[in-house]
Amino acid sequence: GNSVTQMEGPVTLSEEAFLTINCTYTATGYPSLFWYVQYPGEGLQLLLKATKADDKGSNKGFEATYRKETTSFHLEKGSVQVSDSAVYFCALSERASNYQLIWGAGTKLIIKP
Amino acid sequence: SQTIHQWPATLVQPVGSPLSLECTVEGTSNPNLYWYRQAAGRGLQLLFYSVGIGQISSEVPQNLSASRPQDRQFILSSKKLLLSDSGFYLCAWSVDGNSNQPQHFGDGTRLSIL
Repeated sequence: GNSVTQMEGPVTLSEEAFLTINCTYTATGYPSLFWYVQYPGEGLQLLLKATKADDKGSNKGFEATYRKETTSFHLEKGSVQVSDSAVYFCALSERASNYQLIWGAGTKLIIKP
Repeated sequence: SQTIHQWPATLVQPVGSPLSLECTVEGTSNPNLYWYRQAAGRGLQLLFYSVGIGQISSEVPQNLSASRPQDRQFILSSKKLLLSDSGFYLCAWSVDGNSNQPQHFGDGTRLSIL
Protein backbone atom coordinates (compact mmCIF):
# COMPACT_ATOMS: atom_id res chain seq x y z
CA GLY A 1 0.00 0.00 0.00
CA ASN A 2 0.90 3.66 -0.09
CA SER A 3 3.15 5.02 2.63
CA VAL A 4 5.27 8.01 3.60
CA THR A 5 8.52 7.79 5.55
CA GLN A 6 10.11 10.80 7.21
CA MET A 7 13.40 11.15 9.00
CA GLU A 8 13.05 10.79 12.73
CA GLY A 9 13.36 13.79 14.97
CA PRO A 10 13.96 15.85 16.76
CA VAL A 11 16.24 17.72 14.42
CA THR A 12 18.17 20.40 16.28
CA LEU A 13 19.94 23.18 14.39
CA SER A 14 21.41 26.59 15.10
CA GLU A 15 19.86 29.69 13.62
CA GLU A 16 20.92 30.37 10.00
CA ALA A 17 21.86 26.72 9.41
CA PHE A 18 20.79 24.81 6.30
CA LEU A 19 17.82 22.50 6.78
CA THR A 20 16.95 19.23 5.10
CA ILE A 21 14.11 17.00 6.27
CA ASN A 22 13.94 13.80 4.25
CA CYS A 23 10.70 12.35 2.98
CA THR A 24 10.30 9.29 0.77
CA TYR A 25 7.12 7.65 -0.39
CA THR A 26 5.65 4.55 -1.97
CA ALA A 27 2.65 4.87 -4.23
CA THR A 28 0.93 2.83 -6.92
CA GLY A 29 0.36 5.74 -9.29
CA TYR A 30 1.19 9.42 -9.55
CA PRO A 31 0.48 11.06 -6.21
CA SER A 32 0.35 14.68 -5.20
CA LEU A 33 2.80 15.51 -2.42
CA PHE A 34 2.46 17.95 0.46
CA TRP A 35 4.39 19.41 3.36
CA TYR A 36 2.43 20.64 6.37
CA VAL A 37 3.73 22.52 9.41
CA GLN A 38 2.35 22.44 12.95
CA TYR A 39 3.45 25.17 15.33
CA PRO A 40 3.20 24.40 19.07
CA GLY A 41 -0.41 24.14 20.25
CA GLU A 42 -1.88 24.81 16.81
CA GLY A 43 -3.49 22.93 13.95
CA LEU A 44 -1.69 22.00 10.74
CA GLN A 45 -1.01 24.51 7.97
CA LEU A 46 -0.21 23.65 4.39
CA LEU A 47 3.38 24.73 3.73
CA LEU A 48 3.83 23.70 0.09
CA LYS A 49 2.77 21.13 -2.46
CA ALA A 50 3.77 19.56 -5.77
CA THR A 51 1.44 17.70 -8.10
CA LYS A 52 3.72 16.13 -10.71
CA ALA A 53 7.28 14.95 -11.22
CA ASP A 54 9.98 17.66 -11.15
CA ASP A 55 7.57 20.24 -9.74
CA LYS A 56 9.09 22.41 -7.04
CA GLY A 57 6.86 23.68 -4.26
CA SER A 58 8.03 26.72 -2.32
CA ASN A 59 6.77 28.95 0.46
CA LYS A 60 8.30 31.08 3.26
CA GLY A 61 11.83 30.17 2.10
CA PHE A 62 11.11 26.43 2.17
CA GLU A 63 11.39 24.31 -0.98
CA ALA A 64 10.75 20.71 -1.96
CA THR A 65 11.14 19.04 -5.36
CA TYR A 66 9.02 16.09 -6.45
CA ARG A 67 11.57 13.45 -7.51
CA LYS A 68 9.87 10.49 -9.10
CA GLU A 69 13.11 8.62 -9.81
CA THR A 70 14.01 8.54 -6.11
CA THR A 71 10.39 8.71 -4.83
CA SER A 72 11.38 11.61 -2.61
CA PHE A 73 10.09 15.03 -1.58
CA HIS A 74 12.75 16.41 0.76
CA LEU A 75 12.08 19.72 2.51
CA GLU A 76 14.89 22.30 2.44
CA LYS A 77 15.55 25.82 3.68
CA GLY A 78 18.75 27.74 3.24
CA SER A 79 18.78 29.62 6.54
CA VAL A 80 16.46 28.65 9.37
CA GLN A 81 15.11 30.94 12.07
CA VAL A 82 14.00 30.27 15.64
CA SER A 83 10.42 30.86 14.44
CA ASP A 84 10.71 27.80 12.16
CA SER A 85 10.66 25.54 15.21
CA ALA A 86 7.67 23.28 14.66
CA VAL A 87 6.67 19.77 13.61
CA TYR A 88 6.77 19.13 9.86
CA PHE A 89 4.60 16.48 8.19
CA CYS A 90 5.02 15.02 4.72
CA ALA A 91 1.92 13.57 3.05
CA LEU A 92 0.70 12.14 -0.26
CA SER A 93 -2.64 11.88 -1.95
CA GLU A 94 -3.65 9.78 -4.93
CA ARG A 95 -6.68 8.34 -6.62
CA ALA A 96 -5.86 4.75 -5.58
CA SER A 97 -6.29 5.83 -1.95
CA ASN A 98 -9.55 7.66 -2.68
CA TYR A 99 -7.63 10.91 -2.28
CA GLN A 100 -7.15 10.34 1.43
CA LEU A 101 -3.96 11.88 2.73
CA ILE A 102 -1.30 9.34 3.69
CA TRP A 103 0.81 10.93 6.42
CA GLY A 104 4.37 10.62 7.56
CA ALA A 105 4.98 10.44 11.31
CA GLY A 106 6.19 14.04 11.51
CA THR A 107 9.62 15.51 12.24
CA LYS A 108 10.11 17.90 15.12
CA LEU A 109 12.47 20.76 14.30
CA ILE A 110 14.17 22.75 17.07
CA ILE A 111 16.11 25.87 16.14
CA LYS A 112 18.44 27.31 18.78
CA PRO A 113 19.44 30.99 18.74
CA SER B 1 -12.57 32.74 1.33
CA GLN B 2 -13.06 29.48 3.14
CA THR B 3 -12.72 29.13 6.89
CA ILE B 4 -13.00 26.27 9.32
CA HIS B 5 -13.99 26.59 12.96
CA GLN B 6 -13.58 24.08 15.75
CA TRP B 7 -14.76 24.35 19.31
CA PRO B 8 -14.07 24.22 22.11
CA ALA B 9 -10.33 24.88 21.99
CA THR B 10 -9.70 22.96 25.20
CA LEU B 11 -11.84 20.56 27.19
CA VAL B 12 -11.35 18.66 30.42
CA GLN B 13 -13.79 15.82 31.00
CA PRO B 14 -14.11 13.01 33.56
CA VAL B 15 -13.94 9.37 32.53
CA GLY B 16 -17.38 8.09 31.56
CA SER B 17 -18.80 11.47 30.57
CA PRO B 18 -20.18 12.21 27.08
CA LEU B 19 -18.41 14.24 24.41
CA SER B 20 -19.44 16.50 21.59
CA LEU B 21 -16.93 18.39 19.46
CA GLU B 22 -18.16 20.55 16.62
CA CYS B 23 -16.60 21.66 13.38
CA THR B 24 -18.07 23.97 10.76
CA VAL B 25 -16.78 25.12 7.40
CA GLU B 26 -17.73 28.36 5.67
CA GLY B 27 -17.27 29.56 2.12
CA THR B 28 -17.49 26.25 0.27
CA SER B 29 -20.12 23.66 -0.62
CA ASN B 30 -20.07 19.87 -0.39
CA PRO B 31 -16.61 19.62 1.15
CA ASN B 32 -15.00 16.39 2.24
CA LEU B 33 -14.70 16.53 6.04
CA TYR B 34 -12.26 14.73 8.35
CA TRP B 35 -11.65 14.10 12.03
CA TYR B 36 -8.10 13.28 13.16
CA ARG B 37 -6.60 12.53 16.54
CA GLN B 38 -3.04 13.35 17.48
CA ALA B 39 -1.65 11.79 20.65
CA ALA B 40 1.05 13.80 22.47
CA GLY B 41 4.24 13.89 20.39
CA ARG B 42 2.79 11.59 17.75
CA GLY B 43 1.54 11.75 14.18
CA LEU B 44 -1.98 12.01 12.86
CA GLN B 45 -4.55 9.23 13.03
CA LEU B 46 -7.57 9.54 10.74
CA LEU B 47 -10.72 8.73 12.71
CA PHE B 48 -13.60 9.54 10.35
CA TYR B 49 -14.22 11.13 7.00
CA SER B 50 -17.35 12.19 5.20
CA VAL B 51 -18.06 12.88 1.54
CA GLY B 52 -21.61 14.15 2.10
CA ILE B 53 -24.50 14.66 4.51
CA GLY B 54 -25.13 11.51 6.53
CA GLN B 55 -22.19 9.68 4.90
CA ILE B 56 -19.55 8.69 7.45
CA SER B 57 -16.60 6.33 7.01
CA SER B 58 -14.79 5.08 10.09
CA GLU B 59 -11.11 4.30 9.83
CA VAL B 60 -10.56 2.66 13.19
CA PRO B 61 -12.89 0.89 15.63
CA GLN B 62 -13.18 2.92 18.79
CA ASN B 63 -15.24 4.60 21.42
CA LEU B 64 -16.09 7.55 19.19
CA SER B 65 -18.69 8.31 16.52
CA ALA B 66 -19.17 11.06 13.98
CA SER B 67 -22.17 12.68 12.35
CA ARG B 68 -22.74 15.15 9.55
CA PRO B 69 -26.20 16.64 10.02
CA GLN B 70 -25.59 19.50 7.57
CA ASP B 71 -23.36 19.98 4.55
CA ARG B 72 -20.72 21.99 6.39
CA GLN B 73 -21.08 20.64 9.92
CA PHE B 74 -19.16 17.69 11.32
CA ILE B 75 -19.59 16.47 14.89
CA LEU B 76 -17.43 14.06 16.88
CA SER B 77 -19.17 12.34 19.79
CA SER B 78 -18.80 9.78 22.49
CA LYS B 79 -21.33 8.37 24.96
CA LYS B 80 -18.69 7.46 27.55
CA LEU B 81 -15.15 8.79 27.42
CA LEU B 82 -12.14 6.63 28.24
CA LEU B 83 -8.75 7.75 29.50
CA SER B 84 -7.30 6.71 26.14
CA ASP B 85 -9.49 9.28 24.38
CA SER B 86 -7.19 12.08 25.55
CA GLY B 87 -5.46 13.89 22.72
CA PHE B 88 -5.53 16.71 20.25
CA TYR B 89 -8.50 16.46 17.86
CA LEU B 90 -8.30 18.12 14.49
CA CYS B 91 -11.03 18.74 11.94
CA ALA B 92 -10.16 19.30 8.30
CA TRP B 93 -11.89 19.88 4.98
CA SER B 94 -10.95 19.48 1.34
CA VAL B 95 -12.49 20.06 -2.04
CA ASP B 96 -14.50 17.04 -3.12
CA GLY B 97 -12.70 14.44 -5.23
CA ASN B 98 -9.51 16.12 -6.39
CA SER B 99 -6.13 14.78 -5.34
CA ASN B 100 -4.37 18.05 -6.14
CA GLN B 101 -6.22 19.91 -3.44
CA PRO B 102 -4.87 19.85 0.10
CA GLN B 103 -6.74 19.43 3.34
CA HIS B 104 -7.28 22.54 5.45
CA PHE B 105 -7.23 22.23 9.21
CA GLY B 106 -8.96 23.88 12.12
CA ASP B 107 -7.08 25.00 15.20
CA GLY B 108 -7.84 21.79 17.09
CA THR B 109 -9.40 20.80 20.40
CA ARG B 110 -7.16 19.64 23.22
CA LEU B 111 -9.11 17.01 25.19
CA SER B 112 -7.93 15.87 28.61
CA ILE B 113 -9.68 13.02 30.36
CA LEU B 114 -9.38 12.83 34.15
